[in-house]
Amino acid sequence: DQQVKQNSPSLSVQEGRISILNCDYTNSMFDYFLWYKKYPAEGPTFLISISSIKDKNEDGRFTVFLNKSAKHLSLHIVPSQPGDSAVYFCAASVQGGSEKLVFGKGTKLTVNP
Amino acid sequence: GAVVSQHPSRVICKSGTSVKIECRSLDFQATTMFWYRQFPKKSLMLMATSNEGSKATYEQGVEKDKFLINHASLTLSTLTVTSAHPEDSSFYICSAQGPGQNTEAFFGQGTRLTVV
Repeated sequence: DQQVKQNSPSLSVQEGRISILNCDYTNSMFDYFLWYKKYPAEGPTFLISISSIKDKNEDGRFTVFLNKSAKHLSLHIVPSQPGDSAVYFCAASVQGGSEKLVFGKGTKLTVNP
Repeated sequence: GAVVSQHPSRVICKSGTSVKIECRSLDFQATTMFWYRQFPKKSLMLMATSNEGSKATYEQGVEKDKFLINHASLTLSTLTVTSAHPEDSSFYICSAQGPGQNTEAFFGQGTRLTVV
């Protein structure tokens, strides 16, 4: 049973436009969420996180939105740049991030020049 | 999708002993495996990258002699925490990737290590 789902395996957007990556979860106990970015031939790197006490967290071009009632979070990248092309993983944890992370399968983002 | 199996999921050991964690790719050849340590409320910290048949590349600050990584086959990598201390208690997560530049990486389920 997959507790964290990224239903879109791939996404293609034009440079300068907004990229929206979606993530759904089933475990209502999750209260800490993270996004990771992975380039080919490299390991995933941390991008941004959000606690369930918030519904939005912003860091530069990256904003994560959390909708607890829908058990849904999204990552917005504005404006998208070709260097953002990578695989993005959504992850969730319970107890404020003190328990192990559960990962989605990832969404491959391609930003076209 | 591909499956990466990490074992054990939880382990408790005494200070001074060694613990081995296994990471297996079940349906693909993992030419590269990444080992991470997860700290509470913090992101994953990459410990080392291992390529099959060669020595692991450790990140700065990670003790090679304490965290032994072996990637002897295309389906198995192991992380051995030697002479474990309570401060080594953490979650350890592996990620496996197949050959080529644009292949996906898949995560193991993680191992919770508690050193008492």
